Amino acid sequence: SQTIHQWPATLVQPVGSPLSLECTVEGTSNPNLYWYRQAAGRGLQLLFYSVGIGQISSEVPQNLSASRPQDRQFILSSKKLLLSDSGFYLCAWSYRGHQPQHFGDGTRLSIL
Amino acid sequence: DQQVKQNSPSLSVQEGRISILNCDYTNSMFDYFLWYKKYPAEGPTFLISISSIKDKNEDGRFTVFLNKSAKHLSLHIVPSQPGDSAVYFCAASAGGNQFYFGTGTSLTVIP
Repeated sequence: SQTIHQWPATLVQPVGSPLSLECTVEGTSNPNLYWYRQAAGRGLQLLFYSVGIGQISSEVPQNLSASRPQDRQFILSSKKLLLSDSGFYLCAWSYRGHQPQHFGDGTRLSIL
Repeated sequence: DQQVKQNSPSLSVQEGRISILNCDYTNSMFDYFLWYKKYPAEGPTFLISISSIKDKNEDGRFTVFLNKSAKHLSLHIVPSQPGDSAVYFCAASAGGNQFYFGTGTSLTVIP
């Protein structure tokens, strides 16, 4: 069966510090991969998605970036965090086409 | 620009009754719709989906209805149980790569 791992579960970072969140998927090949953010009281905002290694589509211009160095690894990064980057970050995977997404347990990011 | 909208932020229902959660969308290219359930501090869990070629899909206590002319979908939970208390998100996709989510409805089922 397929599983998705996302870490860390919680993270507290100072403004201006770098960020690296990692997500890996097991049990499937060539999945679509996604990063979402849920800000307090808001819905899920799609940040990035990837249909293959090195292929990243960005939905929202911001100081975040994503990379997919391996088929089942998706990384969310920032060089300098802003206060507005606080939120709940979720990684997800899906098969191609009309298939549901499956989410990790998320990372609660607090910027001080 | 919110392409998927859930206009009711919260809903309370008595145990055993029907829960109806609503969702509206604006993009006529959406052809695949999903409902997710989310508990605090966890990722959303997929519940049920429907393709635009159907107007109803049922899975146990959960039924999703799609009205394409009104650009509206709803999730019916019958009978509602206390364990159903969670935040429910609807989502939509055009083609299956990008998914757009509503802001969620918090359902409370009262025992």
